[in-house]
Amino acid sequence: GDSVTQMEGPVTLSEEAFLTINCTYTATGYPSLFWYVQYPGEGLQLLLKATKADDKGSNKGFEATYRKETTSFHLEKGSVQVSDSAVYFCALSQDNQGGKLIFGQGTELSVKP
Amino acid sequence: DAGITQSPRHKVTETGTPVTLRCHQTENHRYMYWYRQDPGHGLRLIHYSYGVKDTDKGEVSDGYSVSRSKTEDFLLTLESATSSQTSVYFCATLRSGQETQYFGPGTRLLVL
Repeated sequence: GDSVTQMEGPVTLSEEAFLTINCTYTATGYPSLFWYVQYPGEGLQLLLKATKADDKGSNKGFEATYRKETTSFHLEKGSVQVSDSAVYFCALSQDNQGGKLIFGQGTELSVKP
Repeated sequence: DAGITQSPRHKVTETGTPVTLRCHQTENHRYMYWYRQDPGHGLRLIHYSYGVKDTDKGEVSDGYSVSRSKTEDFLLTLESATSSQTSVYFCATLRSGQETQYFGPGTRLLVL
């Protein structure tokens, strides 16, 4: 079945460092891909999404490009802030609505001043 | 913000007892979902609903049932709680056409 694999955490960076969180997926067809973020003590919220190959999703300085040839959707940010400390989830959906999400295991990011 | 509330926010119960978790939304979204979050697994879909009285199973539905008698409410029931159902439960709604799910704050359930 479909699945999502993320890099293991936790990831600890200094403020203003470059961030990459790797995400690869296994799926039939052409799923939509998402990054959701969970701040401490809260529910998840959508960070960005891409619905077809070569699409780039971006939001709040974060970017991810839908790479069909490598089945990847890596999350990047050029300069992280302490406020970016959170757990990041990569996810896919096959239902053309963005529902029935399949999540990766999550990557915890800690940014130190 | 889709105005999603979950109740209770925390619950401790004993093995074998029934438990019902409630999700309430104020945005009239058609689709609703229940997920559980466990370390090392991310979130996994338990059940979902695509309208009043229309529900279906997700990846980890065994031991759970759901009901949706009104658009705004989606109930998750553990018929006879087990320790393996200790988890954090999240409800989510989906705004049609935007491919964006909105999540509630979660319910932390401990089954002793």
